[in-house]
Amino acid sequence: AQSVTQPDIHITVSEGASLELRCNYSYGATPYLFWYVQSPGQGLQLLLKYFSGDTLVQGIKGFEAEFKRSQSSFNLRKPSVHWSDAAEYFCAVELRAGSYQLTFGKGTKLSVIP
Amino acid sequence: DAGVTQSPTHLIKTRGQHVTLRCSPISGHKSVSWYQQVLGQGPQFIFQYYEKEERGRGNFPDRFSARQFPNYSSELNVNALLLGDSALYLCASSQYSNQPQHFGDGTRLSIL
Repeated sequence: AQSVTQPDIHITVSEGASLELRCNYSYGATPYLFWYVQSPGQGLQLLLKYFSGDTLVQGIKGFEAEFKRSQSSFNLRKPSVHWSDAAEYFCAVELRAGSYQLTFGKGTKLSVIP
Repeated sequence: DAGVTQSPTHLIKTRGQHVTLRCSPISGHKSVSWYQQVLGQGPQFIFQYYEKEERGRGNFPDRFSARQFPNYSSELNVNALLLGDSALYLCASSQYSNQPQHFGDGTRLSIL
């Protein structure tokens, strides 16, 4: 069955340190790929998306992600974390282009130490 | 422009009751999707509607139903509520198939 795996349940980093959140998907073809962020009690905000083309995509708030087909991965990165980045991060895939149906990972909670 | 709006924000029900959740998509968006997010988990797909037609259904029982109106707003209905239906229900809208979905802040449903 198709699945999205975020191996890290909880990550703690110091403010100013770099960040990488991992995401792997299990699917034969290349799906559409997304990263969303969720603050407590709120909905999901889109950080970035990959549909095709350049495998390094830039998003909002200084985030970027790299699609690696050989590893079925779409890891999220940020060079310098700010305290306001503390939130839960979800990787999602749209397995069939145009289906509008997202499959999410279980999320990674990010804590930031001042 | 207003984002995706959902109502109510919070709702408390008891087992066996039914509930209706509402969603207004971003203006111009014709696709509405519903997701259930149980505490500590990622959202799970329930339904997707496009141009008032159901285009997708997730692995949820028949107690869950939805519809989309001519103005593209949508309702999610859940009958015979169970304790396990306690969750954050998220609505998302999208304009075209190659555009990302935009989410509302959700309705927090608690079942007592």
